[in-house]
Amino acid sequence: GQNIDQPTEMTATEGAIVQINCTYQTSGFNGLFWYQQHAGEAPTFLSYNVLDGLEEKGRFSSFLSRSKGYSYLLLKELQMKDSASYLCAVPSGSARQLTFGSGTQLTVLP
Amino acid sequence: NAGVTQTPKFRVLKTGQSMTLLCAQDMNHEYMYWYRQDPGMGLRLIHYSVGEGTTAKGEVPDGYNVSRLKKQNFLLGLESAAPSQTSVYFCASTLPRRDSGKSSYEQYFGPGTRLTVT
Repeated sequence: GQNIDQPTEMTATEGAIVQINCTYQTSGFNGLFWYQQHAGEAPTFLSYNVLDGLEEKGRFSSFLSRSKGYSYLLLKELQMKDSASYLCAVPSGSARQLTFGSGTQLTVLP
Repeated sequence: NAGVTQTPKFRVLKTGQSMTLLCAQDMNHEYMYWYRQDPGMGLRLIHYSVGEGTTAKGEVPDGYNVSRLKKQNFLLGLESAAPSQTSVYFCASTLPRRDSGKSSYEQYFGPGTRLTVT
């Protein structure tokens, strides 16, 4: 089975940098997803990592270490609109169905 | 192109009542999924489908049934609702693709259905 751990809550200041960690245990690795979910809305795709290393996409970057079962999402130049829940997820099975962590609620303060 | 839509957006049921949640996608995706989201527990997979006419159980299937009679629609049924099924239900779909040499199963989510069972 799959097991995913991420911190429940984080707080940061507008303009700062924040790193949200995710550790996972999975029987077969098929990559790792990060999703963003604003309160009352659907999750939206942020990134997908399948190889080790850092992938950058604008203000957001995602890192993966398969040997350590570890990933992080890095958010730079934080804006108020970045206040949201960030979900780490790993796919498995024939339909690559997702197992999600409980999510990290990020609050950006002015 | 509406993406993934869900009907209804909100619903209140009494214990023992039945209902069907409808998910529709216009992206010609093969795979579709139903998740539920409860506070502090993240999203959990209820059922999924890899194509028209096929369904399979996920992590928390008890008390739910599904059908995929048409490729674009995935229905979630509650035959006898219980308070434990109070939750937010999300439908998602995906079309596996290869991008820069790696496969991706990025899932697109509908807006959700808030269900309360009293």
